[in-house]
Amino acid sequence: GAGVSQTPSNKVTEKGKYVELRCDPISGHTALYWYRQSLGQGPEFLIYFQGTGAADDSGLPNDRFFAVRPEGSVSTLKIQRTERGDSAVYLCASSLGTSGGEETQYFGPGTRLLVL
Amino acid sequence: DAKTTQPPSMDCAEGRAANLPCNHSTISGNEYVYWYRQIHSQGPQYIIHGLKNNETNEMASLIITEDRKSSTLILPHATLRDTAVYYCIARRYGNKLVFGAGTILRVKS
Repeated sequence: GAGVSQTPSNKVTEKGKYVELRCDPISGHTALYWYRQSLGQGPEFLIYFQGTGAADDSGLPNDRFFAVRPEGSVSTLKIQRTERGDSAVYLCASSLGTSGGEETQYFGPGTRLLVL
Repeated sequence: DAKTTQPPSMDCAEGRAANLPCNHSTISGNEYVYWYRQIHSQGPQYIIHGLKNNETNEMASLIITEDRKSSTLILPHATLRDTAVYYCIARRYGNKLVFGAGTILRVKS
């Protein structure tokens, strides 16, 4: 596809369950970012990958959150023991690189997570 | 990254130019000014960015003051589809985006 895609578009789960959210970046983009957006607020940074490695995970709120990008393309955000406060829109973005004009981030449509 | 300040909301008549201001008085020399917008229930959409020169693309123009302490995003002929939250972000290359509250732009017919 031409843009960043995210699946599922909506996810409803129960408190305490485990969820996985997937992001397919734009083909050829080496950098991938995850953000979280709560209702009425701007997106907040979670984690950033350059290739397969997490270059900055300073935004992950606690150790229930984990993300992987094993082959440097698709990424999965994993949330263990979900809590009602995890309910938000999870956004993924990718960029061609991180310098010299390649750093513009392009966002996907997001996954709306609702924890009951 | 430098903090940015934007008005919480603005109205604009359809067909008129929308001028969205942003203050970034503490911006450093290697920080770019980025503008994104977010239409309801969609992911943020990149609009434009610049360092110190004015920039124009098919979506908008970005005017940055000479001292770089403020900028204005200009949508030359606003349409109803331009109704969105507009975010101004000061960012170094390679860094995460730090979003503020943005400006809600309402384009009215």
